[in-house]
Amino acid sequence: DQQVKQNSPSLSVQEGRISILNCDYTNSMFDYFLWYKKYPAEGPTFLISISSIKDKNEDGRFTVFLNKSAKHLSLHIVPSQPGDSAVYFCAASAGSPGGSYIPTFGRGTSLIVHP
Amino acid sequence: KAGVTQTPRYLIKTRGQQVTLSCSPISGHRSVSWYQQTPGQGLQFLFEYFSETQRNKGNFPGRFSGRQFSNSRSEMNVSTLELGDSALYLCASSYGGGFGRGTEQFFGPGTRLTVL
Repeated sequence: DQQVKQNSPSLSVQEGRISILNCDYTNSMFDYFLWYKKYPAEGPTFLISISSIKDKNEDGRFTVFLNKSAKHLSLHIVPSQPGDSAVYFCAASAGSPGGSYIPTFGRGTSLIVHP
Repeated sequence: KAGVTQTPRYLIKTRGQQVTLSCSPISGHRSVSWYQQTPGQGLQFLFEYFSETQRNKGNFPGRFSGRQFSNSRSEMNVSTLELGDSALYLCASSYGGGFGRGTEQFFGPGTRLTVL
């Protein structure tokens, strides 16, 4: 049972336009969400996060929106650049008794930004 | 500051063999987590070690095990390899343990394991 779903395996966008990557989750206990970016032959790198007490977090060209009632979050990249071409993973976590927060990842969306 | 390093980068084994993967975290980081990435399943959490103790464990069979040394370096072992174990194994380290919430995880480049 997939608790974090990225229903679009790939997305193609023109340079300068907006890229919108979507993520849905089913576990209402999730209270912290992150986006990671992964280039081929490299490990994922942290991009941006959002706590469930917020509905928006912005960092430069990247903005994450959280809709708790719909259990949906999205990552907006504006403007998109060819260097943004990568696989984007959505991840979610909830507090655990051990004190750390075991993450659940989506399967990723491959973003291609055309020059 | 050096990043997370993983060795080897590529490995080919045959079914039934065992394998040990190594991860050196960023200096000062005490938490090391392991993940398996496959095309069909995305990233799946294997386990986390903090100060030489396994703190959290994902839903993987007992053939997958790990340990952490006093210098925070970690090893992951997979015994009796199966074809389905072919995957990219990623290691991530963080200072205080946990995931996000201000304790960002830094990932290594991964070890690509192929089981024939």
